[in-house]
Amino acid sequence: GAGVSQSPSNKVTEKGKDVELRCDPISGHTALYWYRQSLGQGLEFLIYFQGNSAPDKSGLPSDRFSAERTGGSVSTLTIQRTQQEDSAVYLCASSLSPILAGSNTGELFFGEGSRLTVL
Amino acid sequence: QKEVEQDPGPLSVPEGAIVSLNCTYSNSAFQYFMWYRQYSRKGPELLMYTYSSGNKEDGRFTAQVDKSSKYISLFIRDSQPSDSATYLCAMSAFTGRRALTFGSGTRLQVQP
Repeated sequence: GAGVSQSPSNKVTEKGKDVELRCDPISGHTALYWYRQSLGQGLEFLIYFQGNSAPDKSGLPSDRFSAERTGGSVSTLTIQRTQQEDSAVYLCASSLSPILAGSNTGELFFGEGSRLTVL
Repeated sequence: QKEVEQDPGPLSVPEGAIVSLNCTYSNSAFQYFMWYRQYSRKGPELLMYTYSSGNKEDGRFTAQVDKSSKYISLFIRDSQPSDSATYLCAMSAFTGRRALTFGSGTRLQVQP
């Protein structure tokens, strides 16, 4: 497709269960980001992938969170043993090049997000 | 203390009003400043970006950066109901994390 695609758009799960969220970035975009947006909060950085480089995982809130990016394209964010405080919208974004590299002055292309509710 | 502070609003104005949205930040390394607009249940979209201090105008929108005060603003002239959205400021530095740091967003409602 033309834009960033995320699935599922909505996920309701029980506390303690694992969830997987998928992101399909724009074709050819080398940089991929995951952010979390909680009610009334801004976008909280989670993880950043750039090409074949080691990802920047510095934003992951706990070791229950992990992410991978296969073949430099699709990415999966996994949350193990979900907690109620994990309830949020998880947004994926991609960009043609990293922020402040080349001509990229800050344009990230976001998907519509995966809304996670943990009961 | 958050690196970027933004009043969450909501801000309600009549159609045609001038709107002023603001953010303050604490990291003096930030050099690129952006405004993203987010409609309900959608992902944010880049509205404007500016580099260092100064003004930048694009149609009804003006972005202003004052690095000495660590303060950025977005002005919307002749506001329209279609401008109703959440506006997020974002910023980045040449050093450190290659990701944007966002404010919490200000929800704007323009009443027809």
